[in-house]
This record gives sequence, structure tokens and C-alpha cells, in this order.
Amino acid sequence: DAKTTQPPSMDCAEGRAANLPCNHSTISGNEYVYWYRQIHSQGPQYIIHGLKNNETNEMASLIITEDRKSSTLILPHATLRDTAVYYCIVRAYTGFQKLVFGTGTRLLVSP
Amino acid sequence: NAGVTQTPKFQVLKTGQSMTLQCAQDMNHEYMSWYRQDPGMGLRLIHYSVGAGITDQGEVPNGYNVSRSTTEDFPLRLLSAAPSQTSVYFCASSLGRSNTGELFFGEGSRLTVL
Repeated sequence: DAKTTQPPSMDCAEGRAANLPCNHSTISGNEYVYWYRQIHSQGPQYIIHGLKNNETNEMASLIITEDRKSSTLILPHATLRDTAVYYCIVRAYTGFQKLVFGTGTRLLVSP
Repeated sequence: NAGVTQTPKFQVLKTGQSMTLQCAQDMNHEYMSWYRQDPGMGLRLIHYSVGAGITDQGEVPNGYNVSRSTTEDFPLRLLSAAPSQTSVYFCASSLGRSNTGELFFGEGSRLTVL
């Protein structure tokens, strides 16, 4: 699985958009980009995933650059409950999901 | 649906003791796995299973055993606990070959080995 690079921490004001970047310059053609988050000490929670097209669901949007070497997770209107560690992971779509979790980005949403 | 249920939530052991962390899922998922998370670090894969009767080692398997006799259950056994196994343990499951990549995690089991 390709490695990812994320900033260790970011701040965001409540109600504003939170844009979390991720670099994955060695991503392979069959690898997807996944985002999970971990609130406090709970189990990680799936957010979104994509291959090369931009994706949106009820939680967030995922923007993947055309060369697929980086991506951005967007939380359009951050709330205090979005304070968490966000993990960007790349993996192939087939077989067991041997996810490699790095240290992620700690997002702090403030009033 | 309960999702992924882990027991116990907290456990304190003495060095050399044995115990089993229980994990059960009610979503009929094929894949199940165990991760450990140490302070300030990401999750590391211990063992995983792609179906009943099939298990394999992950990144950090030493000191742990697993078995998968049913689709629902995937217990993690510590045969002789060591202080280095003090950690938070997460069990996860997913659909399997036809999945979308979404892992469902339990709430975690916090283990302290003295």
C-alpha cells in the first residue's frame, strides 16, 4: 500500500469549511483513497473513499487531483463534534482491507 | 443491529496472565480483524480473517492468537501477557470481497498489563 503524508494538526472555526490535505505521490492505478476519523478514543469511523473522481456524501467531500498524487477532504460546515484525528489511507480495492493507518491529522474545531 | 461488539471494555492483567478479548458482529460480514493502538500512534494490524476457519497474521502478531469458528465471532487471545501489550485494542469487520472498503470498528478494549 502507498504511504500518505498529512499535516499533524489543523485548526478550524466552527461553521467554516475544514480542508484536510493528504499527499500520496506513490499511489498506484488500482489504489483508492479512503478517509477515516477517530473521535477521542472511539473506534475509527469511515467517512468517504474515491478513485479519481470527486466524491460527496452526507458527511464530506473528497477532491482528488487529476494526477491522483494528492487529495483533500472537505467538511463543509465544521462543528465542534468534528474535532477528531483524520486518517488518509490508500489501498487497492481487492482482497482484504489491510489498512495502514498513519498518525493522521488532528483537527481542532473551535467556537 | 449492534454492529461490532467488544468485551471487556477495560481489563488489568498481571504479567504472565492469559485472557481473551471477545469480538462479535451481527452484520454477516466475511472479514474481521484486530488492531492495536498505542498512545500517539496509528492503528497496527495484529491478525485478520477472511472467513470462518481462515486466519492470517498482520503487522504485529507476536504474543497473540486468533481463531474464527463462526462468521460472527473473532476472539483475540493473549497467552502470556507482557507490559508491551498494554494498549487499546480494536476489532473491525467488513462485508468481504464485494465490499466498498468500509470497515466497521468496535468501541475498543483498553488493556493494561502490570
